[in-house]
This record gives sequence, C-alpha cells and structure tokens, in this order.
Amino acid sequence: ETGVTQSPTHLIKTRGQQVTLRCSSQSGHNTVSWYQQALGQGPQFIFQYYREEENGRGNFPPRFSGLQFPNYSSELNVNALELDDSALYLCASSLFAGASGGAGYFGPGTRLTVL
Amino acid sequence: GNSVTQMEGPVTLSEEAFLTINCTYTATGYPSLFWYVQYPGEGLQLLLKATKADDKGSNKGFEATYRKETTSFHLEKGSVQVSDSAVYFCALFSGQAGTALIFGKGTTLSVSS
Repeated sequence: ETGVTQSPTHLIKTRGQQVTLRCSSQSGHNTVSWYQQALGQGPQFIFQYYREEENGRGNFPPRFSGLQFPNYSSELNVNALELDDSALYLCASSLFAGASGGAGYFGPGTRLTVL
Repeated sequence: GNSVTQMEGPVTLSEEAFLTINCTYTATGYPSLFWYVQYPGEGLQLLLKATKADDKGSNKGFEATYRKETTSFHLEKGSVQVSDSAVYFCALFSGQAGTALIFGKGTTLSVSS
C-alpha cells in the first residue's frame, strides 16, 4: 500500500506566473482534498475532488483550480500568482468524501515560494 | 460557522513533564475531532481521533477525550519526550459530504532534555 505523494517538493515562482502541483492519492482512495498552510498557521481548505468532480470548495478565488484523474490522482493549479500564495500546499486522500473518518492521509506537501 | 480554537504556544517543557494542550470547538451537529502532529519540514500525521461524545482517542501515550458539554478536546500526555517536539493541530470534521477538516492555528511544543 503506497502513501500519498506530492510533487514537486519545493517550487519557486514569480508574481503573475502559473503553477501546477501534483498529488497521488493512497491506493484505493477516491477523494482528494487540497489545503493551503501559510507559515505559522493551520491548513485552510481549498477544495475537494470526489470521483473526478469538485465536491466542495473553501474560500479561495477562482484562480485556484483543480483536476482529478481517473486514477484519482489530482492537480492543483494556481494562476496569476501573488506573494500571499507562498505556503505549504498539502493534499489528503480518503476513501469516501462523506465519511466521519474522512480525515484522510496527508502527503508531505509542496512548499511554494512566490517572489 | 464551525471553528477550532487552540491555546497559543509555544509550550516549552522539560522531558518527562506532563503536557496539556487545550482545544475548544464550535460546530453544528456532531463533528468528529482530531489531533494532528507536524514535525519540522514534514506534512501532517494523524495522532488520534474521536467520533462521538465521551470517546477517548489515544496513540503513542497521547490522549484526548471528546467533551460535548464543554465543547473541548484537550490533548494530554503524562510524560513528554524530546522527540515529541512538533506543532500540534486540533481539527474537526462535520461529517457532511463535500466538507473538509477545519484546523486550529496550531500549538508548538518544545521539549528539552
């Protein structure tokens, strides 16, 4: 059983650029959630994908978008990067979107720095 | 709306000291409650959870009891080790489809030998 993996580990971009972050969910899991963790803060929910459809979204602007693929891996895309987008981006996979155990398993994160 | 409030850190303890990190929550319905730990440079690891009132979650010597009457889920450990130094996050999950974990701001624990 493989865990949740994310790529890349670190990324440096400049303002206005676009970025794509990737997440491979744990084997057998059909739900992926993305979180943004700013320095010194708790993770904030961006959105969730369940069986390739967006299934809930936090308070993030439309320039944050995502995809989930048939193998349940996922991408997070951020357009028009701003300095405040600098953060650790975490993905979590779970077996079922509505389960009370839906805490899921977190990946190690991608550290994005916007200059 | 749902929210989680944790005691502010940092918490600095000597090895073998008793640890308490306070967590209170606001939620509609009956959320599940969690404690996560984040070691330096790493992602989040689930430490323990409780899914209904009066449940006690436990793992690696850490415990927390779901107290609905006080809307609390305080984390405790009887004897901390240097290796417990990390950031601890309290979180809740409302259990509805399409929702997600709501985290507190985290509490940094530093244990010295």
